[in-house]
Amino acid sequence: GESVGLHLPTLSVQEGDNSIINCAYSNSASDYFIWYKQESGKGPQFIIDIRSNMDKRQGQRVTVLLNKTVKHLSLQIAATQPGDSAVYFCAESLNSGGYQKVTFGTGTKLQVIP
Amino acid sequence: NAGVTQTPKFQVLKTGQSMTLQCAQDMNHNSMYWYRQDPGMGLRLIYYSASEGTTDKGEVPNGYNVSRLNKREFSLRLESAAPSQTSVYFCASRAGSTNTEAFFGQGTRLTVV
Repeated sequence: GESVGLHLPTLSVQEGDNSIINCAYSNSASDYFIWYKQESGKGPQFIIDIRSNMDKRQGQRVTVLLNKTVKHLSLQIAATQPGDSAVYFCAESLNSGGYQKVTFGTGTKLQVIP
Repeated sequence: NAGVTQTPKFQVLKTGQSMTLQCAQDMNHNSMYWYRQDPGMGLRLIYYSASEGTTDKGEVPNGYNVSRLNKREFSLRLESAAPSQTSVYFCASRAGSTNTEAFFGQGTRLTVV
């Protein structure tokens, strides 16, 4: 079946440095790709999404890059802060009969070292 | 604005017991979802309700039932709990079934012994 996965299960970054979280996806027909952040004991929180016809999208301190040639998605966090420590999930969304079917990856844990 | 509220936050059940997980959202969203999250795995969709009055199976529906009581509320029922249903359950909502941004509740940690 289709799946969404991550290259690195844990990423440790010094405070102030930039973080890059990677994700590989398998369904080239996906319409959107989404990043969620999940802090300990909380539900996932939407960060940013990117439509499949785009290569790059920027938000506040975050940038998502999409490389459809190699089916790769990345989330870049600028000037990483302790509050960025969390598990980050990528997800892919496919329009299926008017409904966005979302498949989540397994997550990458980001640890920010003060 | 409370967003998505789930109850209870924690629950321990014995094998064979039944229970209902409650979820309510106050954002006037049309679509609601139930996921389970297990260690080392991503969120897996159990059931969803694209709009009031409709429900559909997701990826892992076996052992569960749902009710979309009204636009605000979407409940998940375990009729006969099994240890394999030990998990963290999340309810989520989206403005519409074509929107990508989902809002999640804080989760229910369920242990079946």
